[in-house]
Amino acid sequence: GDSVTQMEGPVTLSEEAFLTINCTYTATGYPSLFWYVQYPGEGLQLLLKATKADDKGSNKGFEATYRKETTSFHLEKGSVQVSDSAVYFCALTPQGDDKIIFGKGTRLHILP
Amino acid sequence: ETGVTQTPRHLVMGMTNKKSLKCEQHLGHNAMYWYKQSAKKPLELMFVYNFKEQTENNSVPSRFSPECPNSSHLFLHLHTLQPEDSALYLCASSQDRVTGELFFGEGSRLTVL
Repeated sequence: GDSVTQMEGPVTLSEEAFLTINCTYTATGYPSLFWYVQYPGEGLQLLLKATKADDKGSNKGFEATYRKETTSFHLEKGSVQVSDSAVYFCALTPQGDDKIIFGKGTRLHILP
Repeated sequence: ETGVTQTPRHLVMGMTNKKSLKCEQHLGHNAMYWYKQSAKKPLELMFVYNFKEQTENNSVPSRFSPECPNSSHLFLHLHTLQPEDSALYLCASSQDRVTGELFFGEGSRLTVL
């Protein structure tokens, strides 16, 4: 079945470091791909999305590119801040389906 | 402010109590969801309502009873819960069911004693 796999956390980085959180997926056809973020004490919020191959989603300095050939949607940021500390969820909606499938989440800690 | 408001934010209840969680969305969306978020487990979809009609129930025990009186309000009625039901319960809404773009509330942290 369709699924999302994220790198295990927690990920701990120093402020201004480069961030990559890996996400790969299993799905037929062309799913839509998403990154959600959950800040401490809050619900999830959509960070960025991509709906077709080679699309790049971006928001708040974060980027992710829809790579059909590697079935990946890795999240990157060039210089992280303490305020980026949160849990990040990769997700997909299968093509022609209305379900949304979440990964298990990756906790990110940024040290000042 | 996400446009989805959940109350209460925290709830402690005994196993014999009856309580309800409330969710309200101010976004004009047509679909509403209940998710359960437990430590070290993936997000669990519990119920989905689309245009006030329940369209999904993911084998949720009957001690959880949802209610959707209109497209803006969603309730989760709780009755004779177990300690393992302690979790963060998240409400979400979306314009419709096919976009995958969910708007979440801040959650209701439930502790069952």
